[in-house]
Amino acid sequence: EDQVTQSPEALRLQEGESSSLNCSYTVSGLRGLFWYRQDPGKGPEFLFTLYSAGEEKEKERLKATLTKKESFLHITAPKPEDSATYLCAVQAAGANSKLTFGKGITLSVRP
Amino acid sequence: DTAVSQTPKYLVTQMGNDKSIKCEQNLGHDTMYWYKQDSKKFLKIMFSYNNKELIINETVPNRFSPKSPDKAHLNLHINSLELGDSAVYFCASSQGTVDQPQHFGDGTRLSIL
Repeated sequence: EDQVTQSPEALRLQEGESSSLNCSYTVSGLRGLFWYRQDPGKGPEFLFTLYSAGEEKEKERLKATLTKKESFLHITAPKPEDSATYLCAVQAAGANSKLTFGKGITLSVRP
Repeated sequence: DTAVSQTPKYLVTQMGNDKSIKCEQNLGHDTMYWYKQDSKKFLKIMFSYNNKELIINETVPNRFSPKSPDKAHLNLHINSLELGDSAVYFCASSQGTVDQPQHFGDGTRLSIL
């Protein structure tokens, strides 16, 4: 069965203090790895899809990377508005394959 | 302008009642989903429909019955509500079933008294 483990569960950063969020996964043939951001009381908002080891994607202060066993979401010089829960999900190869989500990492950025 | 909209946003009801949650998407997507997010924030797929056809049906009690009248709508009906059904239910949609990002609604918080 596909598994996704995210660490740490919670992370508190000072504004401007860069860090990385980890997503380890086990999947029978990776089709894609997805990163989402979820704000309190809202649905997950799509950030990135990564398809193969070595791939990187960037958006503003966020950069996502992928290896064969894990993905990192690097946050450079975070701002308070980056505070949210970041979810990682994997989709296995095969038709109509579901997304398997991790529990998420709650990031708090203090001004 | 809301891409995926769910109603109601909050649902408070007694154990044993029957309730429905509605979902509509205006993105032109052909695939829709229902997820359950429990108190530990774990997001789990329940059902998925592609072009009104059920394609994913996870281990969910028979009390939960999805219905897709057309590609833009996916409703969830729950019979004989139990305490353990308390959670946030999210609807999502995507274009196709593979590789494509899913777009989520803002959830329906269901509380069983």
